[in-house]
Amino acid sequence: DAGVIQSPRHEVTEMGQEVTLRCKPISGHNSLFWYRQTMMRGLELLIYFNNNVPIDDSGMPEDRFSAKMPNASFSTLKIQPSEPRDSAVYFCASRSLTVANTGELFFGEGSRLTVL
Amino acid sequence: DQQVKQNSPSLSVQEGRISILNCDYTNSMFDYFLWYKKYPAEGPTFLISISSIKDKNEDGRFTVFLNKSAKHLSLHIVPSQPGDSAVYFCAAKKGSKGAQKLVFGQGTRLTINP
Repeated sequence: DAGVIQSPRHEVTEMGQEVTLRCKPISGHNSLFWYRQTMMRGLELLIYFNNNVPIDDSGMPEDRFSAKMPNASFSTLKIQPSEPRDSAVYFCASRSLTVANTGELFFGEGSRLTVL
Repeated sequence: DQQVKQNSPSLSVQEGRISILNCDYTNSMFDYFLWYKKYPAEGPTFLISISSIKDKNEDGRFTVFLNKSAKHLSLHIVPSQPGDSAVYFCAAKKGSKGAQKLVFGQGTRLTINP
């Protein structure tokens, strides 16, 4: 079975440019999470969706960040305009709401963003 | 505010010995704790978890201990193997089924020396 699929794997852009990161969750999973990994703070939760509806976006750092989930199989995280301090690895993760579990998430391989 | 903290950025252990990774938390409402393992250029993968109603959970070479009074948990790996070299993240869950989210620590880089 395919896991969580993220694209692009690597993105290098210049300050001020728009960046769009994409995620396809595991089929059947109805909860999707966007995390950002930095050295100082580890894995920070940016936003998560249940059944395509944003539930908690308190981790989104600024208005420059936005996320959408137009359907159950696709989500985007957009940064506009991008800044050097946005350079990080961005992870998407998913899980099933209907399965009683410990909260375990399944992660994609991440998108490494470098803003010059 | 960092609700889950891993105060050791790195740890080096000799192969065959015990590795102990530590994690502290501040929120007494967390009801599950998880450990994730991450290799370079890959996403984190689930390793082991423990409910807040237990104080120990064991899975093969991996054991997680929870001390609720101290708000502290630890992951023991014994014996340590070179393939265990990775970054380990501690995570805690709070919230009901429909509003769960995981809060992660900063990670500890474990290096197993042959």
